[in-house]
Amino acid sequence: EIVMTQSPATLSVSPGERATLSCRASQSVTTNLAWYQQKPGQAPRLLIYGASTRGTDVPATFSGSGSGTEFTLTITSLQSEDFAVYYCQQYNNWPQTFGQGTKVEIK
Amino acid sequence: QVQLQQWGAGLLKPSETLSLTCAVYGGSFSGNYWSWIRQSPAKGLEWIGEINHSGRTNYDPSLKSRVTISLDTSKNQFSLKLTSVTAADTAVYYCAVHGGYFDPWGQGTQVTISS
Repeated sequence: EIVMTQSPATLSVSPGERATLSCRASQSVTTNLAWYQQKPGQAPRLLIYGASTRGTDVPATFSGSGSGTEFTLTITSLQSEDFAVYYCQQYNNWPQTFGQGTKVEIK
Repeated sequence: QVQLQQWGAGLLKPSETLSLTCAVYGGSFSGNYWSWIRQSPAKGLEWIGEINHSGRTNYDPSLKSRVTISLDTSKNQFSLKLTSVTAADTAVYYCAVHGGYFDPWGQGTQVTISS
């Protein structure tokens, strides 16, 4: 099973600043990598798939990059609604696996 | 646009069977897998299993002996049964459409196992 490791566990960012989240796979997942956003009491919401393609209605302030084992989710100019927990997930190998999440909190 | 709505019992005793159902609105079962995922503070997001339109299933090996996922195409629903539950099965359970990534998700059901 592929292990997904996210860093940092918590990221403190001021509103309007940029946030950079990392996700590392224990072996190559090519670009079969998704990012999700989860707010308290809600289900995860798909943000990015294919490592860099934004999901439906996802604003352009969210961007994904990377391939192989190293991936990045960048959120430019953080808004109040962007403070949440973010998860990566690989779907290159069965079973698909999730990272443990990065919490983006207000600094 | 596909939407999922799920329901089921939220409080169970150890050794009982967890049973959840997910209704699919705005789409058909063809062309995708329909998954169950759970989330707990201890294990994070954990994929449980999936079913496709023809009834083919795949399960996480660690849960395979206790899990059954089925579908009812006449009602546009699919269901999860997990037998012999313990406190370790306490989690929020989600249904989701699985095309590699998961999108969309149901609203989630908190399931608590307690004597």
